[in-house]
Amino acid sequence: NAGVTQTPKFQVLKTGQSMTLQCAQDMNHEYMSWYRQDPGMGLRLIHYSVGAGITDQGEVPNGYNVSRSTTEDFPLRLLSAAPSQTSVYFCASSYSIQLNEKLFFGSGTQLSVL
Amino acid sequence: GENVEQHPSTLSVQEGDSAVIKCTYSDSASNYFPWYKQELGKRPQLIIDIRSNVGEKKDQRIAVTLNKTAKHFSLHITETQPEDSAVYFCASRDISNFGNEKLTFGTGTRLTIIP
Repeated sequence: NAGVTQTPKFQVLKTGQSMTLQCAQDMNHEYMSWYRQDPGMGLRLIHYSVGAGITDQGEVPNGYNVSRSTTEDFPLRLLSAAPSQTSVYFCASSYSIQLNEKLFFGSGTQLSVL
Repeated sequence: GENVEQHPSTLSVQEGDSAVIKCTYSDSASNYFPWYKQELGKRPQLIIDIRSNVGEKKDQRIAVTLNKTAKHFSLHITETQPEDSAVYFCASRDISNFGNEKLTFGTGTRLTIIP
């Protein structure tokens, strides 16, 4: 298994541009989520999904959209990038968050918005 | 919502000594507490977790203790080694509320082991 795959690894955007961060897992995990990591702020939950067709907001959802059309994929969309969205983004999945199965993280995407 | 505070933000210990990282949480309903380790440039990985029906859990040189009355839990690393150098994150979750899938993380502790 490849685990959780995130692309791209690095991205530079100009303010106002849009882009999609890709996340895919091949472990048949029900639960998928997106976190952002900022210095001194820890890992903050952006959006999450408990299964295909179901998504919900986390702690910091503003400026981001998600969809879950398949079990495997959970893309994160930035509609109009802002400098405040400069961060490292991690996708994470779990077989079942209700059963407290551990989170498997992707390798991260370092995003800079100029 | 849940608030998790983690201290200290940085910690340096001599190789072979012990390290302790402490977290407090605000939601008394929280009852699942994992710890994740993130090495430089790498992804976070689960190292140990504890549920509220247990006061302590050990895995080789790593242990976690939980005090539900005081709403705090701690990570203990004994006989520290250079490979323990990393950022450690605590987290908490209320697992009694089906449908609550939010895991709240602390702000992280950068642990440096001095050879």
